[in-house]
Amino acid sequence: NAGVTQTPKFRVLKTGQSMTLLCAQDMNHEYMYWYRQDPGMGLRLIHYSVGEGTTAKGEVPDGYNVSRLKKQNFLLGLESAAPSQTSVYFCASSRQTSGANVLTFGAGSRLTVL
Amino acid sequence: AQSVTQPDIHITVSEGASLELRCNYSYGATPYLFWYVQSPGQGLQLLLKYFSGDTLVQGIKGFEAEFKRSQSSFNLRKPSVHWSDAAEYFCAVAIMEYGNKLVFGAGTILRVKS
Repeated sequence: NAGVTQTPKFRVLKTGQSMTLLCAQDMNHEYMYWYRQDPGMGLRLIHYSVGEGTTAKGEVPDGYNVSRLKKQNFLLGLESAAPSQTSVYFCASSRQTSGANVLTFGAGSRLTVL
Repeated sequence: AQSVTQPDIHITVSEGASLELRCNYSYGATPYLFWYVQSPGQGLQLLLKYFSGDTLVQGIKGFEAEFKRSQSSFNLRKPSVHWSDAAEYFCAVAIMEYGNKLVFGAGTILRVKS
């Protein structure tokens, strides 16, 4: 079982460029999440999805868009990258979004915006 | 605002010594509580979780955590630290008002001296 797979693992962008991070899970999980991790700030939720075709904003959604066209995939897009979006991005998935919520994380995607 | 506080950014302990990592949350009711560990360059792995019942919970790798309602704390402990425990540790809370999505603390980096 691959679990949660993120691609690419590393990317360097110039300010204003666009890109898409792909997250794929093979556990048939309903719920998927995108977090960003910055030093001293822990993980902050960007967007999440409670099922195929649905998305919702998290704590820090500005500058990002997401899509969940297939249950197993959750895409995170940056339309016009900014240096403030330099971060490590983690995708996660779970069976449910109730309080008993155990997330499975991907290995992360390190993005640098110059 | 609801928050999760990990007051120690860095902790250094000697191999074989005991360990306690602190976590406090600001929330009116008892949330669901989690500890995750992140090894360098890796995603997050669940160590343990508390949903209800016995306030002392056991996790993987010999870790345990105790929920203390009166102190709004969920501290992580290990009796004898191994060099392989060097990692970053995150406390997380599922808060109902936030749709039970996880809110993470800023993390504590553990260094182990040989």
